[in-house]
Amino acid sequence: GQQVMQIPQYQHVQEGEDFTTYCNSSTTLSNIQWYKQRPGGHPVFLIQLVKSGEVKKQKRLTFQFGEAKKNSSLHITATQTTDVGTYFCAGPLVSSSNTGKLIFGQGTTLQVKP
Amino acid sequence: EPEVTQTPSHQVTQMGQEVILRCVPISNHLYFYWYRQILGQKVEFLVSFYNNEISEKSEIFDDQFSVERPDGSNFTLKIRSTKLEDSAMYFCASSGILGTHNEQFFGPGTRLTVL
Repeated sequence: GQQVMQIPQYQHVQEGEDFTTYCNSSTTLSNIQWYKQRPGGHPVFLIQLVKSGEVKKQKRLTFQFGEAKKNSSLHITATQTTDVGTYFCAGPLVSSSNTGKLIFGQGTTLQVKP
Repeated sequence: EPEVTQTPSHQVTQMGQEVILRCVPISNHLYFYWYRQILGQKVEFLVSFYNNEISEKSEIFDDQFSVERPDGSNFTLKIRSTKLEDSAMYFCASSGILGTHNEQFFGPGTRLTVL
């Protein structure tokens, strides 16, 4: 079936270090969305990438969408304790572009030591 | 800022009982979804709903599950006969823009515990 894989599953960094999570889909995605879930919280939308090869930045966060629209990455520069949480990539398949069905990766849980 | 609300925050039920989870999506949104997340695992799609009908459902969403938009504001998920493996956090989400499914706004979730 359709799968979206994320690595690593967990990442512990010292505050100020960089962090990257990678997302790979077994099938082509219509777009890629990134969500952040704080411990005990609900997923909160961060960004959507639509075009092949697209790169978007939000302050210290950089998001990329691969040329084949099957992979994506999120890079955080100089992590802060407020970055703690689980980062999920999610995408609708091309076949689900009209229904909004999101397939989520397993998430990368980021811990930041002050 | 508008938000999706869900009630109850926690529901405990006996196996075989029916439960109804309630959601109030953001008022001008057009698309509604239910997802679930078993503790420590990824978020799984259950169903999407548009124009008063299901637009897509997953394999998880079997005959025991149903959704309804009984009025202009509520969106409910019913599980007819709960099983132990239905224990999870259930998130309702909505999105607004006709023809696209950009940002999905998630509610705070209902934690369902089946004993």
